[in-house]
Amino acid sequence: SYVLTQPPSVSVAPGKTARITCGGDNIGSKAVHWYQQRPGQAPVLVIYYDSDRPSGIPERFSGSNSGNTATLSISSVGAGDEADYYCQVWDVSSDHRVFGGGTKLTVL
Amino acid sequence: QVQLQESGPGLVKSSETLSVTCTVSGGSIRDYYWNWIRQSPGKGLEWIGYIYYSGSTTYNSSLKSRVTISVDRSKNQFSLKLKSVTAADTAVYYCARDGGSRASWFDPWGQGTLVTVSS
Repeated sequence: SYVLTQPPSVSVAPGKTARITCGGDNIGSKAVHWYQQRPGQAPVLVIYYDSDRPSGIPERFSGSNSGNTATLSISSVGAGDEADYYCQVWDVSSDHRVFGGGTKLTVL
Repeated sequence: QVQLQESGPGLVKSSETLSVTCTVSGGSIRDYYWNWIRQSPGKGLEWIGYIYYSGSTTYNSSLKSRVTISVDRSKNQFSLKLKSVTAADTAVYYCARDGGSRASWFDPWGQGTLVTVSS
């Protein structure tokens, strides 16, 4: 089965750019989607198709995907961005939806 | 806009069957894939499986022997049954919609329902 690997935690100073990676075998050939989950809440889609933003998601959220790594970038980070972030893909060989293990973003 | 709402008993006894239902409002169940996803306390997201509006299903291999997902198109609902539960099945259970294949992002999600398995 396809495996997505995320760092357990990322820390960033306020106002800086946070980058959260999602590793997978030839992930650049897949469409990667990203979710934000604040404590006690359901996940919210923040990026789909590698780099597209749903309506209502700030331009501070962006994504890229190439080779074996996809990246979610959040610029001008503030306390409100503290959350868990998950990447997700569709595995064509199994028709399964696959999540990364999640990354906890801490704003210092 | 489409909204999803989970419902079901919050407590299930060990070895019994967990049942939760997701009601879709504000839109039709047609032409989409309807998923169950769970999150054990303090853990990450785990995809359980989906049902297409036509009734076809695909399940996570790790749960396949115990899972059944069904759809009631007349009520705009779909349901999850997980049999022979143990404490490891204690989790928040979410329902979510996806568009299939490369469009398989989950949006929207339900608010989630906590199911606790007791001994």
